[in-house]
Amino acid sequence: QKEVEQNSGPLSVPEGAIASLNCTYSDRGSQSFFWYRQYSGKSPELIMSIYSNGDKEDGRFTAQLNKASQYVSLLIRDSQPSDSATYLCAVEGNKLVFGAGTILRVKS
Amino acid sequence: DAGITQSPRHKVTETGTPVTLRCHQTENHRYMYWYRQDPGHGLRLIHYSYGVKDTDKGEVSDGYSVSRSKTEDFLLTLESATSSQTSVYFCAISDTGGLGLDTQYFGPGTRLTVL
Repeated sequence: QKEVEQNSGPLSVPEGAIASLNCTYSDRGSQSFFWYRQYSGKSPELIMSIYSNGDKEDGRFTAQLNKASQYVSLLIRDSQPSDSATYLCAVEGNKLVFGAGTILRVKS
Repeated sequence: DAGITQSPRHKVTETGTPVTLRCHQTENHRYMYWYRQDPGHGLRLIHYSYGVKDTDKGEVSDGYSVSRSKTEDFLLTLESATSSQTSVYFCAISDTGGLGLDTQYFGPGTRLTVL
């Protein structure tokens, strides 16, 4: 079992829809959770971090954390073609571990 | 890319040759990291540094060595390159490096091909 698992996708959504990206992790001691966005051929950039159970909103992005279920998700509201990218989930316990990423495609 | 540069950006080399990749930062961050990114595997940590001359291994360190003689520079060396080391290499920096607040900022990456 991988330490951080993501569906590789691609996840295709129409422009204006909500994109839902999911991530599960195996280390129950994990304390910090991050979402990075990576455009093709570019480096990852941090878009959200969350440390407590519940929701955290930042503009069109909402991160959701459920430590009991070992599950973290990212919702993107009003998806735009510019959101098309690979989204990496990263989980930190005693080390930072990245998932393999989910490809998101937003169709105009 | 948060004041991080990597050189070279692209390199093609032959099996058995030594290769050194350089990461340079202007942020004065204490922690520096080297990752490789391969399809299906995401980012995997090779080595990291928590200060000048202080380094430690990551999960995929075999065949790699690192050095950090100055705060701003972190070098990754492939002692004898193999085709399995063909990958995209990212350097990252962090100000905290510790549990709970480890926001890492990534350099532009180096695409390495070993023939």
